[in-house]
Amino acid sequence: GAVVSQHPSWVICKSGTSVKIECRSLDFQATTMFWYRQFPKQSLMLMATSNEGSKATYEQGVEKDKFLINHASLTLSTLTVTSAHPEDSSFYICSARERDYEQYFGPGTRLTVT
Amino acid sequence: GQNIDQPTEMTATEGAIVQINCTYQTSGFNGLFWYQQHAGEAPTFLSYNVLDGLEEKGRFSSFLSRSKGYSYLLLKELQMKDSASYLCAGVDSNYQLIWGAGTKLIIKP
Repeated sequence: GAVVSQHPSWVICKSGTSVKIECRSLDFQATTMFWYRQFPKQSLMLMATSNEGSKATYEQGVEKDKFLINHASLTLSTLTVTSAHPEDSSFYICSARERDYEQYFGPGTRLTVT
Repeated sequence: GQNIDQPTEMTATEGAIVQINCTYQTSGFNGLFWYQQHAGEAPTFLSYNVLDGLEEKGRFSSFLSRSKGYSYLLLKELQMKDSASYLCAGVDSNYQLIWGAGTKLIIKP
């Protein structure tokens, strides 16, 4: 089956610093990648949708200048949390879609901002 | 607006059967997914229904009624490892997933 990886699995950073999370589709070309955030005991919240080679489409309420998304190739998308604050601490999950509707999820990245 | 409704929490006994219901309202409809998510992990795919009827896959089955905007996930022969959250997600006319809040399933011995 399709495999999506994320790196790092978990990260602790200090308030004010930036953190980059990578999402890779390992055995297929992902025309579209999605970035989600999930707070404890809550459902997935879509942050943005990115298509290879074009700018990401952000959901309402998500600051595009704070959450920078780059989808430079068909197998790699990155999410950079800039000037991170404790309230940005969350579980960040990416998913990738090839042609059909199913999204293949990465294992997630747990971000803790101290 | 678009909306996915599913119960917040359910409890069942090991070895029994449980049905998790999901009702949906989406702008257009291109199918419905069920995902399983264990605490601290990303969701894993269980099923995708786009036509009416029941699809069986081992101990798990998923049902869809498009006329009623209704789906259910049926889990048989429950095992302790089935304790997880089960997420229902509808696919709208733009092929975007509309997520439910998830149903936390607690399995008791």
